[in-house]
Amino acid sequence: GAGVSQSPSNKVTEKGKDVELRCDPISGHTALYWYRQSLGQGLEFLIYFQGNSAPDKSGLPSDRFSAERTGGSVSTLTIQRTQQEDSAVYLCASSPRTSGGAKVLFFGEGSRLTVL
Amino acid sequence: GENVEQHPSTLSVQEGDSAVIKCTYSDSASNYFPWYKQELGKRPQLIIDIRSNVGEKKDQRIAVTLNKTAKHFSLHITETQPEDSAVYFCAASIGGAAGNKLTFGGGTRVLVKP
Repeated sequence: GAGVSQSPSNKVTEKGKDVELRCDPISGHTALYWYRQSLGQGLEFLIYFQGNSAPDKSGLPSDRFSAERTGGSVSTLTIQRTQQEDSAVYLCASSPRTSGGAKVLFFGEGSRLTVL
Repeated sequence: GENVEQHPSTLSVQEGDSAVIKCTYSDSASNYFPWYKQELGKRPQLIIDIRSNVGEKKDQRIAVTLNKTAKHFSLHITETQPEDSAVYFCAASIGGAAGNKLTFGGGTRVLVKP
C-alpha cells in the first residue's frame, strides 16, 4: 500500500484479555516503531526495529507488552492481560534507511485500544 | 537515554501573530531534530527537521533554530493561520548507520484564534 496500515482501527476489550495490534509498514522501509499516545498526551516510545538488528525494547512499560516483526515487514504488538491504563492509541511508524541520520517517520492512523 | 522537554504545553495566539515552541534535549550526541504536526484525529506528520550541522532552517512560514551548546531548539511559526491549529511535537535522535529511536517531547497544543 501507499502508507503505513494498522489494524484494527478500534479495539474494545475487557480487562484481563490479550490483544494483538498489527502494523504493515511502507514497502522497503527498514525501520519500524511503535509509540503509545494516551488521551491528550505525547508520543511514548515503546519499541523500535531496524533491519535485522536486535530490537530496542527499552520503552516497553511491562513484561505484558511484546512485539515481533516477521520477515522484516509486518509487526504485531501484543498486550497480555490488559489493564485499564493500557487504554490509548497505539501508533506504528516506518522509516526508510537513510545516510546522514535523518529518519523521517511515516505514521499509521493508529489503533485505538479501550480496556473496560 | 535521551530526554526531550517541550514548552509550553498549550499556546493560544491570534491569527497573524507568531508562535514559538521550545524544546530541550539531554543527550549531546543527538544530531537530528524533527518537528511533527498532528491535527485533530489525524496521524503525526513531519513538517520540518534540522541536523546538528546547521543553526537554522526555514520553510515558508515555519523555521527551526538549534543551539547545540545549550541543547535546545525551537519552532517558529509566523503569520499564523487557523489551519496551523494542531498539536506540535519536537523530537531528537542520534543518527548514523546503526540508527536510533526518535524521542519525542510532550507536545504543544496550538490554537490560532481567528
